[in-house]
Amino acid sequence: AQTVTQSQPEMSVQEAETVTLSCTYDTSESDYYLFWYKQPPSRQMILVIRQEAYKQQNATENRFSVNFQKAAKSFSLKISDSQLGDAAMYFCAYRSTLIARGSARQLTFGSGTQLTVLP
Amino acid sequence: DTAVSQTPKYLVTQMGNDKSIKCEQNLGHDTMYWYKQDSKKFLKIMFSYNNKELIINETVPNRFSPKSPDKAHLNLHINSLELGDSAVYFCASSQDRGVVVEAFFGQGTRLTVV
Repeated sequence: AQTVTQSQPEMSVQEAETVTLSCTYDTSESDYYLFWYKQPPSRQMILVIRQEAYKQQNATENRFSVNFQKAAKSFSLKISDSQLGDAAMYFCAYRSTLIARGSARQLTFGSGTQLTVLP
Repeated sequence: DTAVSQTPKYLVTQMGNDKSIKCEQNLGHDTMYWYKQDSKKFLKIMFSYNNKELIINETVPNRFSPKSPDKAHLNLHINSLELGDSAVYFCASSQDRGVVVEAFFGQGTRLTVV
């Protein structure tokens, strides 16, 4: 079974600065998807960014980018020019591409990192 | 127009009651899910379901049962509610194949059992 580990329960960053959230995972599969979801106080789960394991290029979405190290099984999220609205719980998640296997469709989440943005 | 909607948003009920949470998605996705988020914010899969197969997480008590009247709906029914069932329950949907494979979530239902 796959596991996802986020070793930073809490992080803080000054507004306009850059912060990196860490995520490692364990899998025996060669192809999969990785995601970062954001959960603000409103409770809504919002997709921030996704990465396909077969792609060597790191995904970017505006101020959000990832550092995907497949061999190291590492998937960190970098937030540049942090804004007050970035304050939230951030979850790293894994999904298999092996659709033929029953449980493959689900997301396996890390324990989350609570990000505080300081004005 | 909300992509994944679940109702109610808040639910307070007494121990021993039976309750249901409804979920609907208008994205045309073929797979729907229920996740449980506990007090420490940890998210865990409870069920995944598409028109072919229901996958149940083995740790989920059989008091919990998903009911799918059609492809766009997956309701969660809970019998004999216990204090430990208090949590936030999220419905989600995704597409097995294609360009967009990420899961879309409802706004969550905070269940409080007293």
